[in-house]
Amino acid sequence: DTGVSQDPRHKITKRGQNVTFRCDPISEHNRLYWYRQTLGQGPEFLTYFQNEAQLEKSRLLSDRFSAERPKGSFSTLEIQRTEQGDSAMYLCASSRLTGGGGYTFGSGTRLTVV
Amino acid sequence: DAKTTQPNSMESNEEEPVHLPCNHSTISGTDYIHWYRQLPSQGPEYVIHGLTSNVNNRMASLAIAEDRKSSTLILHRATLRDAAVYYCILRDTSGTYKYIFGTGTRLKVLA
Repeated sequence: DTGVSQDPRHKITKRGQNVTFRCDPISEHNRLYWYRQTLGQGPEFLTYFQNEAQLEKSRLLSDRFSAERPKGSFSTLEIQRTEQGDSAMYLCASSRLTGGGGYTFGSGTRLTVV
Repeated sequence: DAKTTQPNSMESNEEEPVHLPCNHSTISGTDYIHWYRQLPSQGPEYVIHGLTSNVNNRMASLAIAEDRKSSTLILHRATLRDAAVYYCILRDTSGTYKYIFGTGTRLKVLA
């Protein structure tokens, strides 16, 4: 068990470009979450998958954002037509389906839009 | 909105106990109390969680008030590596299990 992996760790992109991030959760975890974190703030919920089904999306997830989890394994988060306000740390986390236990977070992908 | 209230920052001396308070007056019967910490440039790390009874693990202890409207995370002997932002979060087990984070408490440990 190597934990939750996120790729890339850092991404610098020009405004208007599309970017895609990947998250590989812990293999036996059914739940997968994406969060966004800006400097000095706690992480903000973006979206949630249970297996391959996307069951909840935050209002923060504008139509430029899309997330997928094909076959209930890894997940991707795509941002189209990036804006400077999208600069943030994007965090992925996974957890088991049942029980009150916690998540395991990845180390995040830091996006800088220039 | 976050359903917990924490002090913005606290300081502790190395090798002394640290008590990090959290108020959650609107807690419901299905909410678990979770604590995470986040070191610079890393994702949050699970510390401990509880429902009603006090809990201990190798990292910390969690003391929950009898009315569940507040809790305290206890680090028994702070080390420099414990300097981090500590988040107290309520987790609703009747829904998506998502967390709503606040801004947490920044703990500074003095050598």
